Amino acid sequence: NAGVMQNPRHLVRRRGQEARLRCSPMKGHSHVYWYRQLPEEGLKFMVYLQKENIIDESGMPKERFSAEFPKEGPSILRIQQVVRGDSAAYFCASSRQLDREDGYTFGSGTRLTVV
Amino acid sequence: ILNVEQSPQSLHVQEGDSTNFTCSFPSSNFYALHWYRWETAKSPEALFVMTLNGDEKKKGRISATLNTKEGYSYLYIKGSQPEDSATYLCAEGAQKLVFGQGTRLTINP
Repeated sequence: NAGVMQNPRHLVRRRGQEARLRCSPMKGHSHVYWYRQLPEEGLKFMVYLQKENIIDESGMPKERFSAEFPKEGPSILRIQQVVRGDSAAYFCASSRQLDREDGYTFGSGTRLTVV
Repeated sequence: ILNVEQSPQSLHVQEGDSTNFTCSFPSSNFYALHWYRWETAKSPEALFVMTLNGDEKKKGRISATLNTKEGYSYLYIKGSQPEDSATYLCAEGAQKLVFGQGTRLTINP
């Protein structure tokens, strides 16, 4: 029973390139969340998705960032034209449903470095 | 309180001692309070989700209490062991969790 799988673990991109971060939720989980941890900061909410729907993207930067969770396949966080300030650890979490008794299951994160 | 705040930021405890730390959160529009344990190079692991004022939950040597009226939760660790060394995060919210900065706990053998 694999947990939340994120890949790649580490990603290096040059300024201006695109970064694609993947997240496969835990089996049976239909809710996916993306969080970002900037250097020396805590985890910050980015986006909440269910299959084929973005439910809450209030934490996403207005430009260059997008997220999807297609019917088939993993959730993707896409960052276009990366800048140095995008360097951070990006964590994905999943849950079964909006159940107040369940915590999230987190992945191990993708560490993005923009050079 | 506008944000989720945790104190202390870091804590060194002797093996075998008990310890506790605090999470403060806005008491208005409370939904649920989460505690996570985060070891270096691993992913955050859910410890407790608490929703009711006065709630108390326990998992082995770790327990937590919740006061939603005054907006705080305590995490207690009894008889600390080296494997308890980790960062302990609390977060408040529904789908969109607001995390504190964490308490970094180090157990000295």
